[in-house]
Amino acid sequence: GQQVMQIPQYQHVQEGEDFTTYCNSSTTLSNIQWYKQRPGGHPVFLIQLVKSGEVKKQKRLTFQFGEAKKNSSLHITATQTTDVGTYFCAGRGTYKYIFGTGTRLKVLA
Amino acid sequence: DGGITQSPKYLFRKEGQNVTLSCEQNLNHDAMYWYRQDPGQGLRLIYYSQIVNDFQKGDIAEGYSVSREKKESFPLTVTSAQKNPTAFYLCASTSGRAVLTDTQYFGPGTRLTVL
Repeated sequence: GQQVMQIPQYQHVQEGEDFTTYCNSSTTLSNIQWYKQRPGGHPVFLIQLVKSGEVKKQKRLTFQFGEAKKNSSLHITATQTTDVGTYFCAGRGTYKYIFGTGTRLKVLA
Repeated sequence: DGGITQSPKYLFRKEGQNVTLSCEQNLNHDAMYWYRQDPGQGLRLIYYSQIVNDFQKGDIAEGYSVSREKKESFPLTVTSAQKNPTAFYLCASTSGRAVLTDTQYFGPGTRLTVL
């Protein structure tokens, strides 16, 4: 079946350093969504990418969707302690979402 | 104030007991979902429902059951047949009207522990 993998599983960075998480699907995706889950919380929608090669920015966050629509990345510039949490990608299948395994980010002050 | 509510926040169950987790939404969304999250892992789909009185099994439906008698409610029952039920359970909904681009709204979750 369709699988979505994320790397790395964990990432510890010093505050101010950059961070990137990568998402790879075994099949072509119609779109990809990114969610953030704070420790003890629930996933919150960040953004959606639909077009091949699409790049979107939200302040310090940059999201990319691969040309083949099988991979995506989230890059955070100059991390802050508020960026702590787990970042998930989710690929859209028919009537359901396939979530990636997530990348847990820890930011050291 | 629109949103998704789940209750209870924490739930303890003895082995062999069935337990029902509540999920209610007032977003007027057609589609609802149940996910299971284990420590340090992603979300796995248990059941989903695109419309009232209809639902489909997800990837890990064994040991679980659902009902969708009302648009706003999608309760999940964890039965005694579920061998390892201790987990964080998340309910979500989407409008269901834009199949390819719908975004999911999640409830706060229920943390179930089997004693």
